[in-house]
Amino acid sequence: ETGVTQSPTHLIKTRGQQVTLRCSSQSGHNTVSWYQQALGQGPQFIFQYYREEENGRGNFPPRFSGLQFPNYSSELNVNALELDDSALYLCASSLAGWDQPQHFGDGTRLSIL
Amino acid sequence: GENVEQHPSTLSVQEGDSAVIKCTYSDSASNYFPWYKQELGKRPQLIIDIRSNVGEKKDQRIAVTLNKTAKHFSLHITETQPEDSAVYFCAARPSNDYKLSFGAGTTVTVRA
Repeated sequence: ETGVTQSPTHLIKTRGQQVTLRCSSQSGHNTVSWYQQALGQGPQFIFQYYREEENGRGNFPPRFSGLQFPNYSSELNVNALELDDSALYLCASSLAGWDQPQHFGDGTRLSIL
Repeated sequence: GENVEQHPSTLSVQEGDSAVIKCTYSDSASNYFPWYKQELGKRPQLIIDIRSNVGEKKDQRIAVTLNKTAKHFSLHITETQPEDSAVYFCAARPSNDYKLSFGAGTTVTVRA
């Protein structure tokens, strides 16, 4: 069984730039959720994708967007990067359903200069 | 939306003693409560979860209890070992929402 994989592991950008982060879900999982984890805090829900559509969103501005592909992999795109976007971005996959366990990848550490 | 509060923020225990972490939630529609362990520089790892139709669940040295009336749930680790040192997060998810809301985390240190 293949676990959740994310790329890249680290990324350095400057303010105003755009970034794309990638996630491959665990085999058999059809739902992908993205989280932002600032240093010393719990993960904050960004959005969730199921059947290639966003079906839930947290308190993040529209410059955070995503995609899900037919193979259930997903991308997180962030435009007009701000210093506060510096964080660990985590992807979690699961089966569809409110009580299905979510399994996380190792994350992408994004630093904004 | 759901608001999850977690206490304490740090916990130091002697090896072999028990550790207890408590969380409260605000949304009475929450029905799924997972716990994650995150070691430094690693991914959050699901260690146990409980659904609202169950009051307690055990897995070896780990147990979780849920009180839906009071809207709180707790993680109990017995016979703690140095490898239990990590940050632990509780979370809650309503059955009518896609959002999993996390607590701020508890840093557990097991002293040898």
